[in-house]
Amino acid sequence: DGGITQSPKYLFRKEGQNVTLSCEQNLNHDAMYWYRQDPGQGLRLIYYSQIVNDFQKGDIAEGYSVSREKKESFPLTVTSAQKNPTAFYLCASSILRQQYGYTFGSGTRLTVV
Amino acid sequence: QKEVEQNSGPLSVPEGAIASLNCTYSDRGSQSFFWYRQYSGKSPELIMFIYSNGDKEDGRFTAQLNKASQYVSLLIRDSQPSDSATYLCAVILNKLVFGAGTILRVKS
Repeated sequence: DGGITQSPKYLFRKEGQNVTLSCEQNLNHDAMYWYRQDPGQGLRLIYYSQIVNDFQKGDIAEGYSVSREKKESFPLTVTSAQKNPTAFYLCASSILRQQYGYTFGSGTRLTVV
Repeated sequence: QKEVEQNSGPLSVPEGAIASLNCTYSDRGSQSFFWYRQYSGKSPELIMFIYSNGDKEDGRFTAQLNKASQYVSLLIRDSQPSDSATYLCAVILNKLVFGAGTILRVKS
């Protein structure tokens, strides 16, 4: 079955630590996206990529980094510069024209301990 | 002005009633409109998309688009308790931009 796999489902980060969230898709989609969702709020775009080895900042990129070395993979690193990282992180993918919307992974819930 | 606006709710309807969810958007150039359903703690799930003015029906769901008024709505007929969720409106503006969502509660 085609889909998007995010791991881990739950992640705990200590102060000052970098952590990486995994996102893999086998839908043959060109574009991939990372969103952050805080309780009771909508989705805010962190980064997106439309082609391998290229990516663009979204609305809240500060404190995050990404890479796109393979079409199937778009990992997100939450760095120590992100002062309030506790949130639900969602990865999505789409065809380039986006006319069918985005397909989402099941999400990673990150908590600072 | 937010790019995509929704009433946060909660919208409460009795089981079997029609639930009406509304969304407005700011960019007249928007071409594609989506409704996602999100259960608590889960990821969003696409339920409808619409590109043309008018109505689009799929089972118990009807999406309505009025580009002149920059307004898109979702009607859920015969609402069930399992429809209780947050409904996110999304609009393509180079990339998909989401509203904050409307909480729907269907009371049995």
